[in-house]
Amino acid sequence: EADIYQTPRYLVIGTGKKITLECSQTMGHDKMYWYQQDPGMELHLIHYSYGVNSTEKGDLSSESTVSRIRTEHFPLTLESARPSHTSQYLCASSEPGEYDEQYFGPGTRLTVT
Amino acid sequence: QKEVEQNSGPLSVPEGAIASLNCTYSDRGSQSFFWYRQYSGKSPELIMSIYSNGDKEDGRFTAQLNKASQYVSLLIRDSQPSDSATYLCAVNLGNFNKFYFGSGTKLNVKP
Repeated sequence: EADIYQTPRYLVIGTGKKITLECSQTMGHDKMYWYQQDPGMELHLIHYSYGVNSTEKGDLSSESTVSRIRTEHFPLTLESARPSHTSQYLCASSEPGEYDEQYFGPGTRLTVT
Repeated sequence: QKEVEQNSGPLSVPEGAIASLNCTYSDRGSQSFFWYRQYSGKSPELIMSIYSNGDKEDGRFTAQLNKASQYVSLLIRDSQPSDSATYLCAVNLGNFNKFYFGSGTKLNVKP
């Protein structure tokens, strides 16, 4: 099981601010993911990474960007937050192998006012 | 058509009963299947994974996979109030970015 950490856990911020959501894992997993989930709705993949210097966009269009400079770190950045970005953001990582069992961090609940 | 379909519920069962949760998926190329439990306001927690047809048991949980009919189910025996949560079905098509979650079934276990 992965140890995945996300900070901050809760964030309330004004429109137009730049924010970075942090995600770190200590298991050395190469694959990492960012999901967005609204209350009562399904998870949507917004970004993923195969490993260092690899980033891809997921199925859900997102105005956020990600970077992967170190294996354990996969931050997500919003250059200019808007109320439509209000959501829960979940980071996950998966063990090596073809089945991709994903383990989730505790999430960041973002509110943009 | 969604990739993964689940009845949103709520499914209500009495304590001690068997809870049966179902999930169907649309892509026959799907290779691995997962059940996650998500408590309100929390992140999903992996509880079962299954890769081949048949049953897989882990404690009170049994996952069942039928690839011909394209469904996956989760049975929870001796249901407890602490099992009350939303259960998410997830399917991996085998490609890196083809990992889909259903919208979840809410389970209520009544004492």
